[in-house]
Amino acid sequence: SQQGEEDPQALSIQEGENATMNCSYKTSINNLQWYRQNSGRGLVHLILIRSNEREKHSGRLRVTLDTSKKSSSLLITASRAADTASYFCATDANNNDMRFGAGTRLTVKP
Amino acid sequence: DTGVSQDPRHKITKRGQNVTFRCDPISEHNRLYWYRQTLGQGPEFLTYFQNEAQLEKSRLLSDRFSAERPKGSFSTLEIQRTEQGDSAMYLCASNPLPREKLFFGSGTQLSVL
Repeated sequence: SQQGEEDPQALSIQEGENATMNCSYKTSINNLQWYRQNSGRGLVHLILIRSNEREKHSGRLRVTLDTSKKSSSLLITASRAADTASYFCATDANNNDMRFGAGTRLTVKP
Repeated sequence: DTGVSQDPRHKITKRGQNVTFRCDPISEHNRLYWYRQTLGQGPEFLTYFQNEAQLEKSRLLSDRFSAERPKGSFSTLEIQRTEQGDSAMYLCASNPLPREKLFFGSGTQLSVL
């Protein structure tokens, strides 16, 4: 079963704008991860945030985690056309493996 | 480190045929995972191995599906008597420790006609 749910399902923005994607999950976690997937390819890990962390940055990416609300957000600043992809959150609710949501499909228009 | 590799990249088969996919994880990773992904959805967990031991199988994995990792290195996923509903991308991933960053292969796209 899938653990996380991303919102929105699809997002279309202009190059240079910021993109925010949200993830909600159901049970307690040790960590939450965000991945990116270009069409027809495998997933690429972006960032991992642990349950005792509230915010993490990596380049143009900013991830927040609110364990009281069981939610996380991924912010991509100053988006580029090359950021066009699907973005997935994954949680370790099962303790041994990561379970993924349905993803947010981001389109960045040049 | 050549990353996780999967073979074949694409597979087209007729309903009722058997297919086998191979995954070569990153060499020092003792954990290997199989996921299935259909269009517009996220990866669904199928099964995982720690070394050669298969430690968990999803209820999605019917008895037509079998996975092996005989020497704790590469893994194979076999689907017997394929059905059209098996059409999907089959993704393999590996990591050295549980719950840590997953490294994915490019996947095997299966089409059952």
